Amino acid sequence: KAGVTQTPRYLIKTRGQQVTLSCSPISGHRSVSWYQQTPGQGLQFLFEYFSETQRNKGNFPGRFSGRQFSNSRSEMNVSTLELGDSALYLCASLITGPNTGELFFGEGSRLTVL
Amino acid sequence: TQLLEQSPQFLSIQEGENLTVYCNSSSVFSSLQWYRQEPGEGPVLLVTVVTGGEVKKLKRLTFQFGDARKDSSLHITAAQPGDTGLYLCAGDNNDMRFGAGTRLTVKP
Repeated sequence: KAGVTQTPRYLIKTRGQQVTLSCSPISGHRSVSWYQQTPGQGLQFLFEYFSETQRNKGNFPGRFSGRQFSNSRSEMNVSTLELGDSALYLCASLITGPNTGELFFGEGSRLTVL
Repeated sequence: TQLLEQSPQFLSIQEGENLTVYCNSSSVFSSLQWYRQEPGEGPVLLVTVVTGGEVKKLKRLTFQFGDARKDSSLHITAAQPGDTGLYLCAGDNNDMRFGAGTRLTVKP
């Protein structure tokens, strides 16, 4: 079974530009979550999508947005990039068990903003 | 402000030593998970604890969930270089919220 696939793996942008990151979850998984990982803050929750609807949202400005398609693939977009947006962006698909969910992470998209 | 505080932030030990890392919060969680992340990869789930006071063992790793379901610890016995990585705890609070992690280095 293929894992979570994120593209691109690496990208470099300049301040003011916008970026779109893509995530394909494990086949059959309908929930996709996005996290921003930086050395100082760890993993910060961005948002979660389920069946094309945003189910939860973290405390990020409106420059960060996302969407999910009918095939469960998800994209996140960051507009008007700032230097502080440099981070590893991780996508995870979620399978819900009897007690809680298990997150399956992709390898991430490493964004550098110059 | 982190919902989950992990300590220590960094830990460097020799092969064969024992260690404990901690995950603390003022919030109560329905469950808590531990993940390990290696360079260039996403985090991978190690264990889920659900019941207050629960103890789970995974080979040389022992996980404990606090009685009040606000904190957890991870104890590694006889650490090996292969244990090197970033250990993250995550609490289920309608969505999974992570601590900043403990970066463990085990030297041969």
